[in-house]
Amino acid sequence: DGGITQSPKYLFRKEGQNVTLSCEQNLNHDAMYWYRQDPGQGLRLIYYSQIVNDFQKGDIAEGYSVSREKKESFPLTVTSAQKNPTAFYLCASSPAQQETQYFGPGTRLLVL
Amino acid sequence: AQKVTQAQTEISVVEKEDVTLDCVYETRDTTYYLFWYKQPPSGELVFLIRRNSFDEQNEISGRYSWNFQKSTSSFNFTITASQVVDSAVYFCALSRTLNDYKLSFGAGTTVTVRA
Repeated sequence: DGGITQSPKYLFRKEGQNVTLSCEQNLNHDAMYWYRQDPGQGLRLIYYSQIVNDFQKGDIAEGYSVSREKKESFPLTVTSAQKNPTAFYLCASSPAQQETQYFGPGTRLLVL
Repeated sequence: AQKVTQAQTEISVVEKEDVTLDCVYETRDTTYYLFWYKQPPSGELVFLIRRNSFDEQNEISGRYSWNFQKSTSSFNFTITASQVVDSAVYFCALSRTLNDYKLSFGAGTTVTVRA
């Protein structure tokens, strides 16, 4: 089945720790995105990538990093510099950047 | 700058009632895309519709219908004869069609359908 997978479903982070959220797609989409969702709010863009080995900051990139070494994978690292990381993180992809974005099931990150 | 406003935070209806979700947007672009997504309790966003600003025709898909009015910058969504499975958070979103395709989301409207 084609789709977007995110793992883990729940992730716990200790103070000062970096954690990496996985996002994989087998839709052969060129563009991939990371969003953050806080309770009662819409989604905010963290990073996006139009092609392999290229990515751009979104509206709230501080404290996060990404890589795009393979077309199907776009992992997000939440660094210790992100002081308020507790949120729901959603990954999305689209055939090209101007096309409709399709979303994965999300990862909920909690701070211990 | 682009902005999407969903003024209704929560709507609660009884099954079989109709429910209309409001979406008002702001953009300086003459061409743009509008979207609706559904987020059920599982969390995944489900794509419902994309509308190009050139196309002002209303659309119906089963129990869902959309009313796009460029004159009032609105893109409202109606669920007819609501069902319990329609309970979810619904997001309206806006993107440009040139250069920068980032989605700007509204805050979402939580719809609860009671049996």
